[in-house]
Amino acid sequence: SQQGEEDPQALSIQEGENATMNCSYKTSINNLQWYRQNSGRGLVHLILIRSNEREKHSGRLRVTLDTSKKSSSLLITASRAADTASYFCATDAGGSYIPTFGRGTSLIVHP
Amino acid sequence: DSGVTQTPKHLITATGQRVTLRCSPRSGDLSVYWYQQSLDQGLQFLIQYYNGEERAKGNILERFSAQQFPDLHSELNLSSLELGDSALYFCASRGVGGTGELFFGEGSRLTVL
Repeated sequence: SQQGEEDPQALSIQEGENATMNCSYKTSINNLQWYRQNSGRGLVHLILIRSNEREKHSGRLRVTLDTSKKSSSLLITASRAADTASYFCATDAGGSYIPTFGRGTSLIVHP
Repeated sequence: DSGVTQTPKHLITATGQRVTLRCSPRSGDLSVYWYQQSLDQGLQFLIQYYNGEERAKGNILERFSAQQFPDLHSELNLSSLELGDSALYFCASRGVGGTGELFFGEGSRLTVL
């Protein structure tokens, strides 16, 4: 079963626009991670935010975490065609530290 | 390059057969995770090993088994294959702390005909 669920399922934007993806989860977490997957390839880690953090930045990426709402968002600013990929959130919950993935958001950035 | 190596990249086999997927984790990583990715189920956690010991089990079928060897490479064995087992199988490793990012291999794409 999925712990995290991304929204929207699909997002289509023009190059230069910002892309925002959301992730909701059900139980308390230790941390939340965002990954990127190009079609048929392995997942690549983008950013990790711990449960006691509220916001994190990495280059053009900004991640927020609201533990009271059990949700996170990933913002990609000034998107590029090369950002076209699927984006997944993964949560580590409880003592098991097993990252559980959502179904992902498919992002298409048109040049 | 994540440093995680998976073989084979592609595998086509028939129903009822058995296959073995192999994973070499990043140098120094003791944890290996196996995930199955299919269109209808998303990315599902199968099993985790840590330094040769099974640490956690997820949605892994009884027809599937895995092990981690003393050199830390891992193998996922899939037997009595069914059409529904067609999927991408990923291996990922994690650093010694066990709480950070996962490093994924490129996956093994299994097609069962």
